[in-house]
Amino acid sequence: GENVEQHPSTLSVQEGDSAVIKCTYSDSASNYFPWYKQELGKGPQLIIDIRSNVGEKKDQRIAVTLNKTAKHFSLHITETQPEDSAVYFCAAEFKAAGNKLTFGGGTRVLVKP
Amino acid sequence: GAGVSQSPSNKVTEKGKDVELRCDPISGHTALYWYRQSLGQGLEFLIYFQGNSAPDKSGLPSDRFSAERTGGSVSTLTIQRTQQEDSAVYLCASSVGTATDTQYFGPGTRLTVL
Repeated sequence: GENVEQHPSTLSVQEGDSAVIKCTYSDSASNYFPWYKQELGKGPQLIIDIRSNVGEKKDQRIAVTLNKTAKHFSLHITETQPEDSAVYFCAAEFKAAGNKLTFGGGTRVLVKP
Repeated sequence: GAGVSQSPSNKVTEKGKDVELRCDPISGHTALYWYRQSLGQGLEFLIYFQGNSAPDKSGLPSDRFSAERTGGSVSTLTIQRTQQEDSAVYLCASSVGTATDTQYFGPGTRLTVL
């Protein structure tokens, strides 16, 4: 089945620095790659997504890049702030399994003031 | 507008008891998903409802797990004869249609099996 590997599992950065989370996927037919942010005690919330017809998408301090040839995509957070501290999940659409999303294992990001 | 709601927020039960978890999706959303999140882990797909189609039950871990969606809206996830390994946060999400539409998650139900 579809497999999504996410690294690192934990990431500690100083406020103002950048954070990068990387994911690899196995289904070459995947065309949709969302990123979710989960704060403590809450459900995940979509923060950005990218489709395979583009290589990069940016929204203020967050950006996502996609390399379909290598089957990996990354989340970049610039000028990190304490409120960026959360668990981040990547996901990939798994066409062979009825177009469901398969999620990575998550990255716990801690932004130190 | 109202988001996805789940109840109860917390459930403590004894091993061997049955539990029912409820999900109220966003009005008009045809797709509804259940996921399980064990402590410090990612999201494990359980079951997917899309409109009036037969549900995709491929993620249910055992026959002790079942789910219904009545009238294309509210969904109930039932776990029979609970085991300690069932302890987790159960998340529900809904979306307008397909997997490439944004999934909106509820706050989850934390289940603890003693």
